[in-house]
Amino acid sequence: DTAVSQTPKYLVTQMGNDKSIKCEQNLGHDTMYWYKQDSKKFLKIMFSYNNKELIINETVPNRFSPKSPDKAHLNLHINSLELGDSAVYFCASSQVSRNSYGYTFGSGTRLTVV
Amino acid sequence: QKEVEQNSGPLSVPEGAIASLNCTYSDRGSQSFFWYRQYSGKSPELIMSIYSNGDKEDGRFTAQLNKASQYVSLLIRDSQPSDSATYLCAVYTGGFKTIFGAGTRLFVKA
Repeated sequence: DTAVSQTPKYLVTQMGNDKSIKCEQNLGHDTMYWYKQDSKKFLKIMFSYNNKELIINETVPNRFSPKSPDKAHLNLHINSLELGDSAVYFCASSQVSRNSYGYTFGSGTRLTVV
Repeated sequence: QKEVEQNSGPLSVPEGAIASLNCTYSDRGSQSFFWYRQYSGKSPELIMSIYSNGDKEDGRFTAQLNKASQYVSLLIRDSQPSDSATYLCAVYTGGFKTIFGAGTRLFVKA
């Protein structure tokens, strides 16, 4: 039973399109995150939700909009996709209320914008 | 700007040797430190966490923390080809934020 699951695993789309990535965790964690990993493998935080509340909103274009309908789900919607959005997007979760800050990552979504 | 620095490598070691991976961080107030292993095309996997100065051992892995020097290291004893991966150092800086280093690529030669 997958702990943090992301869909889709691969996403190839044209510039200007709108797409969504979904994430679900069954670990009972209270905090979920979106990270972007670029071609140089550098992981950069985008958003963090704690108990459905947006906690971190890094400097990302407002074309990116996260949504957390409940503690177990965190989705990412991207409008008007650009070539530079091509990357691997990882969802992760942790249990911050128990001072446990280590992450469990999803398998990632490789987004290619053509 | 809070930073986590790692040598990108690749670090090449023969099978059975000790691999030593290093990391420095800029935020002196950081309290929690992590090592993740990432195989090519896969997601990062948490392998070690350390919170206080000194050494922490788990199987063939030993994490070392020196807060005065703002330095974290990971030692892998009896390195195996299956240890070949990118190792990411991560530092929890507070406010729900964890900063990752760019990773060190390790190659273990059979």
